[in-house]
Amino acid sequence: DQQVKQNSPSLSVQEGRISILNCDYTNSMFDYFLWYKKYPAEGPTFLISISSIKDKNEDGRFTVFLNKSAKHLSLHIVPSQPGDSAVYFCAASVQGAQKLVFGQGTRLTINP
Amino acid sequence: NAGVTQTPKFRVLKTGQSMTLLCAQDMNHEYMYWYRQDPGMGLRLIHYSVGEGTTAKGEVPDGYNVSRLKKQNFLLGLESAAPSQTSVYFCASGRYEQYFGPGTRLTVT
Repeated sequence: DQQVKQNSPSLSVQEGRISILNCDYTNSMFDYFLWYKKYPAEGPTFLISISSIKDKNEDGRFTVFLNKSAKHLSLHIVPSQPGDSAVYFCAASVQGAQKLVFGQGTRLTINP
Repeated sequence: NAGVTQTPKFRVLKTGQSMTLLCAQDMNHEYMYWYRQDPGMGLRLIHYSVGEGTTAKGEVPDGYNVSRLKKQNFLLGLESAAPSQTSVYFCASGRYEQYFGPGTRLTVT
């Protein structure tokens, strides 16, 4: 039972354009969502998060949008840079719970 | 401040051999986790700990054991390795915003 799904295994975007990574979840109890970024041969690093009381959270070039009715969140990167090429994982949790549930990941490639 | 460290970085085992992966964190976090990453499967939780002396099963605990004798260390053991345990293993500490180690690439032949 995949509670957090990233249906696009890969995404290719031109440098300077917007990258949009998507994530769907099935558990309506989830109320905290995170995005992690992973480079090859390194561990994931935290990127940005959003609580279910918000529908948008912005940090520099990164914005996360949450649509609770659709059980969908997305990560927007504007403008995309070559250093953004990585695998992006979305994760979800119930606040007060002790663990995260991760999606399968999306490999983002930024082309010059 | 090293963050989260893992040893070893690489290991090759034969089926049936045992080994222990060590994770250490210097951020005084109560929560620690062991994940495995497989192609197309994302990060799957093996075991976790919410404090010294505690452990709990995650999504894929079979074939693994863990111990948290000291707050800063979290050990993952494979008693009898199987080829299905070939994977990249990540340790993390923290609760929601987790800090990950660099990973251990394990191959079981």
